[in-house]
Amino acid sequence: EAGVAQSPRYKIIEKRQSVAFWCNPISGHATLYWYQQILGQGPKLLIQFQNNGVVDDSQLPKDRFSAERLKGVDSTLKIQPAKLEDSAVYLCASSPGALGATDTQYFGPGTRLTVL
Amino acid sequence: QKEVEQNSGPLSVPEGAIASLNCTYSDRGSQSFFWYRQYSGKSPELIMSIYSNGDKEDGRFTAQLNKASQYVSLLIRDSQPSDSATYLCAVASTSYGKLTFGQGTILTVHP
Repeated sequence: EAGVAQSPRYKIIEKRQSVAFWCNPISGHATLYWYQQILGQGPKLLIQFQNNGVVDDSQLPKDRFSAERLKGVDSTLKIQPAKLEDSAVYLCASSPGALGATDTQYFGPGTRLTVL
Repeated sequence: QKEVEQNSGPLSVPEGAIASLNCTYSDRGSQSFFWYRQYSGKSPELIMSIYSNGDKEDGRFTAQLNKASQYVSLLIRDSQPSDSATYLCAVASTSYGKLTFGQGTILTVHP
C-alpha cells in the first residue's frame, strides 16, 4: 500500500513570495490533515478535512494560508505571502475513519520550507 | 499552561536500560493518547496508542495512562541505540479526533 505522498520535499523562497504544497493521502482515507512543525516543536494542526469538507481550521492563519481538498482526495496548502516565521516542515497526514474516530494518522515525508 | 507537556530532555540512557518518557495533558475530556517516534529529518510514526487507564504492552514498549492524574507515560525496556529519536506524546480531544502534540522529548541511547 502506497503511503502519503507530498511534494516538493524542499522549498526555499524569499519572504513575501508565494508557495504551494501538494499532498496525496493513502487511497481510501477520508480524513486529511496538514500540520506545521517548527524545529524543536511538536506538529501543530493547521487544518483537518473530512472528505472535501473542513472540520477544523482554527489554527490556520487565514490571512496568508489557504488549503483545499477538491474531490475529497489530494490537497494543496498555499502560503501567500510567506513570512520568515513560516520556515518549518509542513506535514500531511491521513487516516481512514469517519468523523470522531480515533484512527492512526499516517504521515507523509513532509516539505521543508525555508523562507529567507 | 501548555495543553500537552512532555518532560524536558534530552534524555540519555545506556544501552539495555529502561527509558521513561512522561507526558501530562490539560483537557480532562481527552479520550485517546498516542506516542509517536520521530527520527531526525523524518516524519512521525505511531508506536503506541492507549485509551483506558492502566498499562498496555507491545514488545519492549509499555504505555501507561492515569486519567485522574492526566498523565501518560512510555517505558522502553532494553533500550537500543536504534531507539534514539524524538518521542512525541499526542492527545485526541473528544471531538473529531483532533490531535494535540507535545513538544517532544529527545532520547539518546548510548552503547
